[in-house]
Amino acid sequence: GAVVSQHPSWVICKSGTSVKIECRSLDFQATTMFWYRQFPKQSLMLMATSNEGSKATYEQGVEKDKFLINHASLTLSTLTVTSAHPEDSSFYICSANAETSGNHEQFFGPGTRLTVL
Amino acid sequence: KQEVTQIPAALSVPEGENLVLNCSFTDSAIYNLQWFRQDPGKGLTSLLLIQSSQREQTSGRLNASLDKSSGRSTLYIAASQPGDSATYLCAVQGDSSYKLIFGSGTRLLVRP
Repeated sequence: GAVVSQHPSWVICKSGTSVKIECRSLDFQATTMFWYRQFPKQSLMLMATSNEGSKATYEQGVEKDKFLINHASLTLSTLTVTSAHPEDSSFYICSANAETSGNHEQFFGPGTRLTVL
Repeated sequence: KQEVTQIPAALSVPEGENLVLNCSFTDSAIYNLQWFRQDPGKGLTSLLLIQSSQREQTSGRLNASLDKSSGRSTLYIAASQPGDSATYLCAVQGDSSYKLIFGSGTRLLVRP
């Protein structure tokens, strides 16, 4: 199957700093990628849809100025958590949409654990 | 707005038992439905994907069914093993936006 990577796998930062997370589709091109957030013992919540060459579409309640998304190429989307605070500590997972045999399927990265001190 | 519900929230069974996990969704206009496994602190592993036109998919000891009209899917695990212990997530993909909406998951513990 298609492979999606995320970098870094974990990051610890001080409150007030910004953190960038990369999501790459390694062996396919993805015009659409998605960013999810998962708090402990909870399910994945969709944050935004990242579209190559255009602005991201954010889900209700997600601050677009705090979670900056850039999808500058067909294989890379980045999520920047600006002015991070302890409540932003979470597991961030990306996925990339791939079309295989006429069907659309999402492939997930391994996730990035963010801890804000 | 699509809502996905999984029952039960947690399940503990002895090794060797066959078990069924349930998933229901409110909007039947789906593109596909997917079952995932997630180990603690890890990412998602895709188990089975069922297209909206399909009724079931099988992989090894796993069988997933889809009844689109009633908004239900089940994941059947045969002859459960301790290694099957994980959280199982059901997700539906909308037919226009390709967004995945996840259920809250079922935490499975298979006791040796």
